[in-house]
Amino acid sequence: ETGVTQTPRHLVMGMTNKKSLKCEQHLGHNAMYWYKQSAKKPLELMFVYNFKEQTENNSVPSRFSPECPNSSHLFLHLHTLQPEDSALYLCASSQDLREFVYEQYFGPGTRLTVT
Amino acid sequence: AQKITQTQPGMFVQEKEAVTLDCTYDTSDQSYGLFWYKQPSSGEMIFLIYQGSYDEQNATEGRYSLNFQKARKSANLVISASQLGDSAMYFCAMSGMKTSYDKVIFGPGTSLSVIP
Repeated sequence: ETGVTQTPRHLVMGMTNKKSLKCEQHLGHNAMYWYKQSAKKPLELMFVYNFKEQTENNSVPSRFSPECPNSSHLFLHLHTLQPEDSALYLCASSQDLREFVYEQYFGPGTRLTVT
Repeated sequence: AQKITQTQPGMFVQEKEAVTLDCTYDTSDQSYGLFWYKQPSSGEMIFLIYQGSYDEQNATEGRYSLNFQKARKSANLVISASQLGDSAMYFCAMSGMKTSYDKVIFGPGTSLSVIP
């Protein structure tokens, strides 16, 4: 595997379900991100981890819970979601956060539908 | 506050022609970086090009070049010799020193369609 991978690619879940999104990067990066992309809205940054430590929680509801066990893996745990949470969830990584020059590498995303 | 504006929701270009996608930004940072990403219908965001605020020369990467006009706060993406595979959403993004390195702001995007 190369780059950034995400599983599953598609997920349909009911509002009472609990599911997790997984992201893995094979680039040796130290920073990882979760973004939410809804139709006709700009990309929204949700969480940022740098060297496994969370540096940003962009006012995300508690029904989204991130986990970063190591610099290569990032999870997004979902529970009691709402229909408006349906979106494309993108994971990204970058070298680290010491410089703002580092570009981000994105995974293919998980298309989430909440019914 | 930082803000990215992309005023062209949709653009069309003939294959093999050049096209310019507009991006203007607002920031109080003295040092910042500007990025362009491409998102095909498959969903994956692909990094295209980077321009630093102190770079004197416009960035170029293959068929992509960035027309950086600092005084006007614009960072337009120029794609030369358009190909059918260039049809995608294009996002301008910015990160800056003062607003912390982990805050990358994305614009609303421009949808580019390349016509054969």
